[in-house]
Amino acid sequence: QVQLVESGGGVVQPGRSLRLSCAGSGFTFSGYSMHWVRQAPDTGLEWVAFLSNDGSNEHYTDSVKGRFTISRDNSKRTVYLQMNIVRLDDTAVYYCARGDGPGNWLIDSWGQGTLVTVSS
Amino acid sequence: EIVLTQSPGTLSLSPGERATLSCRASQSVARNYLAWYQHKPGQAPRFLIYGASNRATDIPDRFSGSGSGTDFTLTISRLEPEDFAVYYCQQYASSPISFGQGTRLEI
Repeated sequence: QVQLVESGGGVVQPGRSLRLSCAGSGFTFSGYSMHWVRQAPDTGLEWVAFLSNDGSNEHYTDSVKGRFTISRDNSKRTVYLQMNIVRLDDTAVYYCARGDGPGNWLIDSWGQGTLVTVSS
Repeated sequence: EIVLTQSPGTLSLSPGERATLSCRASQSVARNYLAWYQHKPGQAPRFLIYGASNRATDIPDRFSGSGSGTDFTLTISRLEPEDFAVYYCQQYASSPISFGQGTRLEI
């Protein structure tokens, strides 16, 4: 059974940094691409970042390019989202999600999410 | 960037009724790489449909997807109480991946 467990959320001041983690279990972690998707309060889902299984291919939504970095450590079965220079509009529940193959974009499993609140 | 527009914004129905949710893309979705997800508050989104019309594993057959190009539909043939949630379409054909704004299905 696929499990994705996010951690690292909390309250952070504008302009500061935060790192989210997502631990995967129940599947061969190194064989799958990973995503981060977020949901701001009272809004819908917004895709944030993608990373292929071997870390060679990464993509970001425009609003986080140059500020956020997705990375992974397959030996620890963990994907990360380094969030730098955070803004008020980065406040959201951040979901870790699995792609359905090594370089695949389709999301087939999701975590429960971790809340990030950007506030002074 | 492909923009997805879902309609209606809110759909009010009763258990046992049929629900039809629409998703329209601003440009053709290559290879019909269109997925649907169900999302309830405080829960992980649930993967329902991929490739516009293929049910994901363990999804009941009352859920069906159809459409191609720019117009897609999710149909729930007979609503069960647990089906009331927000539904999102998503295209995964090109970067950036995009979601529709969601349709709230309420009792």
